[in-house]
Amino acid sequence: DIQMTQSPSSLSASVGDRVTITCRASQSISSYLNWYQQEPGKAPKLLIYGATSLQSGVPSRFSGSGSGTDFTLTISSLQPEDFATYYCQQSYSTPLTFGGGTKVEIK
Amino acid sequence: QVQLQQSGPGLVKPSQTLSLTCAISGDSVSSNSATWNWIRQSPSRGLEWLGRTYSRSKWYTDYAVSVKSRITINPDTSKNQFSLQLNSVSPEDTAVYFCTRVSSRLGAFDIWGQGTMVPVSS
Repeated sequence: DIQMTQSPSSLSASVGDRVTITCRASQSISSYLNWYQQEPGKAPKLLIYGATSLQSGVPSRFSGSGSGTDFTLTISSLQPEDFATYYCQQSYSTPLTFGGGTKVEIK
Repeated sequence: QVQLQQSGPGLVKPSQTLSLTCAISGDSVSSNSATWNWIRQSPSRGLEWLGRTYSRSKWYTDYAVSVKSRITINPDTSKNQFSLQLNSVSPEDTAVYFCTRVSSRLGAFDIWGQGTMVPVSS
């Protein structure tokens, strides 16, 4: 199984801050990496697919980069509605696996 | 617009079978450009993919090794839905269960059901 490791597991930031979350795969997954946002009590929402492609309707302040084993999700200017938990997920091979999550909290 | 609507009991006793159904609107379970998946989420296990079903001229299923001996995912083309059965449950199966779609174009879980909290308790 491909293990996905996210860091940090949590962070505190202020509105307007630039936030970066990293995800590392235990083996190369090319660009088969997706990012999700989850608010409490809700299903995850797709933000980025294929490592860099923005899902329709997602604000352009979200961006993704990386390939191989190392990936990054960046929020260029944190907004109040962005305080949530973020997950990476590999779609390279089954079993499809997720990172442990990064909780973004208000500073 | 594609939507997934989950249904099923919210409480299961240990050793019994967990059964959930996911009704699809706006797409087809027989689509050759999607897969239909079940995922669960718990504090101890995080987000865990359980398995999928999909049609590519014939039907296929894939299951996670952790549940392979206890799980069945079936499509129902007459009702345009798919189901999850998990046998011999234990308290460790307590989780929120989600049905999801992966579209071949995106290669990601782009549509999610609302989630069903299933406690396993006597």
